[in-house]
Amino acid sequence: GENVGLHLPTLSVQEGDNSIINCAYSNSASDYFIWYKQESGKGPQFIIDIRSNMDKRQGQRVTVLLNKTVKHLSLQIAATQPGDSAVYFCAEIGGSNYKLTFGKGTLLTVNP
Amino acid sequence: GAVVSQHPSWVICKSGTSVKIECRSLDFQATTMFWYRQFPKQSLMLMATSNEGSKATYEQGVEKDKFLINHASLTLSTLTVTSAHPEDSSFYICSASVGLTEAFFGQGTRLTVV
Repeated sequence: GENVGLHLPTLSVQEGDNSIINCAYSNSASDYFIWYKQESGKGPQFIIDIRSNMDKRQGQRVTVLLNKTVKHLSLQIAATQPGDSAVYFCAEIGGSNYKLTFGKGTLLTVNP
Repeated sequence: GAVVSQHPSWVICKSGTSVKIECRSLDFQATTMFWYRQFPKQSLMLMATSNEGSKATYEQGVEKDKFLINHASLTLSTLTVTSAHPEDSSFYICSASVGLTEAFFGQGTRLTVV
């Protein structure tokens, strides 16, 4: 796959801090992006999505930013909590087949 | 939200045997189901795309005779790992799609081949 990684980047933050998780995508034809949270031993859980005609979308404590010029996506988590500790994946959909392609993922660890 | 149930959650099997994993959409009809494999500390890798009533489309490098996919109804898809070997040990995840962009994931199946 295009964005499959062999090593998981990690981010460690203190409880209450804001977290920023970044993702680079490679398919300029992608027109829909999703952030997923995956806890150990579980399937991915939808967090927030954004379409390519937008550059920012906010949810509860989370914000997704999309920069199509440099093909970059970020997830901001406000007031990070221990329950936010998980692996976060960005995923993209687009092109002719509308397959969901996952990025390499980032392990977020929240220290109490 | 829509619920996708995957069964079993974990399975241990002997090398050479076959294992079937079920993926069910509980409260909606899924036009398309996807099967992923995930190795430790790695991302999800799409194995195949399954549409109800038709043959699955496999990704490059995935052996269709080893990973048999059946999508007999709009709420059920099965993945059978045939003649399993230790290197097939992995976390298998299914997702069910409604339309082109909404996908709901199962809880995953941890397969260990001994």
